[in-house]
Amino acid sequence: EDKVVQSPLSLVVHEGDTVTLNCSYEVTNFRSLLWYKQEKKAPTFLFMLTSSGIEKKSGRLSSILDKKELFSILNITATQTGDSAIYLCAVDLTSGTYKYIFGTGTRLKVLA
Amino acid sequence: GAVVSQHPSRVICKSGTSVKIECRSLDFQATTMFWYRQFPKKSLMLMATSNEGSKATYEQGVEKDKFLINHASLTLSTLTVTSAHPEDSSFYICSARDPGTEAFFGSGTQLSVL
Repeated sequence: EDKVVQSPLSLVVHEGDTVTLNCSYEVTNFRSLLWYKQEKKAPTFLFMLTSSGIEKKSGRLSSILDKKELFSILNITATQTGDSAIYLCAVDLTSGTYKYIFGTGTRLKVLA
Repeated sequence: GAVVSQHPSRVICKSGTSVKIECRSLDFQATTMFWYRQFPKKSLMLMATSNEGSKATYEQGVEKDKFLINHASLTLSTLTVTSAHPEDSSFYICSARDPGTEAFFGSGTQLSVL
């Protein structure tokens, strides 16, 4: 059974801290791994990763994929209260109906 | 980026009534749309995959007669919760994509069944 697991489930930090969110997966037909941020309603797209070892960066956020060890990390440096959200990891499969397998999510709270 | 519109954003209904939720892709044609359910503080649970012009594919444990899905055009999919009961109260969210691109999400519908 295809599975995506995120850790930690929740995290509380102070502004300025750096956080690392983890996503591991076990799937049969991997195409890509995606990170989304969900604040109140619609998840917003952060990154799509298809190749191992290539870091993707957007401002204070960065992410990398390891296809050998089957995991990805999302780093947030110099956290701000606006980073408080649920961070969702999803794996896109090559076969079937192009559905995503979502992880459990990590709930991040950044305190002022 | 591409926009997916979902409405209503919030609906309150009496037990036993049916509720329809619409999901539209505004600036691209979505051959595939997905419907999710999300419980408080939990991740997205895929309910079904909606394919334009064909029957939806439901995930295990999701009642197809309870959650009717129609994808009549390349820009519109609807989810109808039939004979809603309080246990159906939840946040429902749709997404749309073309293969090879990332999925875009609607803003969700908070359903409360009294």
